Amino acid sequence: SQTIHQWPATLVQPVGSPLSLECTVEGTSNPNLYWYRQAAGRGLQLLFYSVGIGQISSEVPQNLSASRPQDRQFILSSKKLLLSDSGFYLCAWSLAGGFTGNTIYFGEGSWLTVV
Amino acid sequence: SQQGEEDPQALSIQEGENATMNCSYKTSINNLQWYRQNSGRGLVHLILIRSNEREKHSGRLRVTLDTSKKSSSLLITASRAADTASYFCATGDSGAGSYQLTFGKGTKLSVIP
Repeated sequence: SQTIHQWPATLVQPVGSPLSLECTVEGTSNPNLYWYRQAAGRGLQLLFYSVGIGQISSEVPQNLSASRPQDRQFILSSKKLLLSDSGFYLCAWSLAGGFTGNTIYFGEGSWLTVV
Repeated sequence: SQQGEEDPQALSIQEGENATMNCSYKTSINNLQWYRQNSGRGLVHLILIRSNEREKHSGRLRVTLDTSKKSSSLLITASRAADTASYFCATGDSGAGSYQLTFGKGTKLSVIP
């Protein structure tokens, strides 16, 4: 069966510091991968998605970047965090192809507080 | 892009009662999905209904879709305290090559024991 791991679960970072959130998927090949952000009391905002190694699409201009160095690894980064980057970040995956007809499977999320 | 909007924003019921949540969207879709999120956790997929379907059941869940009204409802029957969570609808674009589901802001359901 497929599993998704996301870490760290919680982190508190000062403004201007770098960020790295990591996500790995097991049990499937060539998944679509996603990073979402959920601000308090808000819906989910898609930040990045990837259909393959090195292929990243950004949905929202921002202070963040994503990379996919391996088939089942997805990394969310920032060189300098802003206060507005605080939120709950969710990594997710779906089967390749037929994107909007597929179920999206989420990790447990990472709480980021920028102070 | 289109967006699902859930209604109500919050719902509080007694255990054993039924809970109904609604979702409205703006443009054509090829499917609509419902997800559940326990506080501080990731989302879990509940059910997917395609645009050519009108009703779907899964255990105590019943989902309806009315494409003429651009709306869907999620009914949870005989609610339990463990059903306490936020529930989100997500719509998938009808256009080809679209990679994202658009999520609403959710309905926060509280089931009181």
